[in-house]
Amino acid sequence: SQQGEEDPQALSIQEGENATMNCSYKTSINNLQWYRQNSGRGLVHLILIRSNEREKHSGRLRVTLDTSKKSSSLLITASRAADTASYFCATVLTTDSWGKLQFGAGTQVVVTP
Amino acid sequence: EPEVTQTPSHQVTQMGQEVILRCVPISNHLYFYWYRQILGQKVEFLVSFYNNEISEKSEIFDDQFSVERPDGSNFTLKIRSTKLEDSAMYFCASSEFGGSSYNSPLHFGNGTRLTVT
Repeated sequence: SQQGEEDPQALSIQEGENATMNCSYKTSINNLQWYRQNSGRGLVHLILIRSNEREKHSGRLRVTLDTSKKSSSLLITASRAADTASYFCATVLTTDSWGKLQFGAGTQVVVTP
Repeated sequence: EPEVTQTPSHQVTQMGQEVILRCVPISNHLYFYWYRQILGQKVEFLVSFYNNEISEKSEIFDDQFSVERPDGSNFTLKIRSTKLEDSAMYFCASSEFGGSSYNSPLHFGNGTRLTVT
């Protein structure tokens, strides 16, 4: 089964606007993580939210998790040109060992000045 | 801030050749991983490694693949006989903790782009 499907696939906004992207998954998770990937670079960890948590904040980032709907959202407030990147959600299933992340296809975010 | 480093950044090889991709994980991390990303596709888990042995591997990680921690700092991925479909970006990652009771994030390197011709 496919885990971690992001929506939308692409998002184009202006600096200062908020960007919201969603992630849905199919199977019970231990935790869900969001990563950012700048073009040609590695994945950078943003936030980890455990299955018993509902919301987490980190700077301009806000992540929510609704396990009943098997979905998560990532909100970037007051976006900057430097936020231009691909954003991936990744889940760790309750049946899998730690570190075996299942990634979604990502949301490509473009922030124009 | 400590980081995971990977070399080379780009490797071109002919089909059937062996390649070794190298990684230096963060020094106090104990859990190591390889992932790959075929162009235009999702990032896929290949293998996890702890205490000098494979913890888990995916279906992709067949007999052509092997991993090794030859010394206290390097972590390598070897592909014995490369195929065209092995062309991808290969990412090494490490984490401080592992196991289901821990929730420490993975730290990824910038990747090695492998091109098999």
